[in-house]
Amino acid sequence: EPEVTQTPSHQVTQMGQEVILRCVPISNHLYFYWYRQILGQKVEFLVSFYNNEISEKSEIFDDQFSVERPDGSNFTLKIRSTKLEDSAMYFCASKRGRGLQETQYFGPGTRLLVL
Amino acid sequence: DQQVKQNSPSLSVQEGRISILNCDYTNSMFDYFLWYKKYPAEGPTFLISISSIKDKNEDGRFTVFLNKSAKHLSLHIVPSQPGDSAVYFCAASETSYDKVIFGPGTSLSVIP
Repeated sequence: EPEVTQTPSHQVTQMGQEVILRCVPISNHLYFYWYRQILGQKVEFLVSFYNNEISEKSEIFDDQFSVERPDGSNFTLKIRSTKLEDSAMYFCASKRGRGLQETQYFGPGTRLLVL
Repeated sequence: DQQVKQNSPSLSVQEGRISILNCDYTNSMFDYFLWYKKYPAEGPTFLISISSIKDKNEDGRFTVFLNKSAKHLSLHIVPSQPGDSAVYFCAASETSYDKVIFGPGTSLSVIP
């Protein structure tokens, strides 16, 4: 069964450093998402991406964050200058079509720790 | 901003019995509801969903009930199995937006 993959599984970085989290969505999916879950808190929406542009973003997704689909398979989340509060589990998700009945499939996540 | 609430952080059920997980929401614009299951160190896995035009959806051992007037939904698992032990997230979407809003989750333990 096709699945969303994410690399790395864990990332430790120093505050102020740039990190890039990578995702490979399911191959025939057209809609892509990033969510995050701070330890002990709920899963929060960050950004959605379709047709090579951001379609929606949350207030969390400020100028320090960017997303890119550099080729036909990868979908990346970049944090330019990490802060301690960026430490969280980051989940990528994808879905095939626009309708609400189209399910978002989640990857296993990247655990980011900012020191 | 708790648009989706799950007031029980944890639930323990004996194997073979029914598990009932509850969820309340505040946004009347939500028109699609989902349940996700999450094991430690994994991403959320879609379990079952329901559109706001329905009040029940069933898939095997899993049934979701929606009461729109009460802004309440529930997930029934029967019979419960030890492999069902996980965190269950209630989530919702509205037509105008594409994002999924998650509740805080309920940790279900099914005791053999």
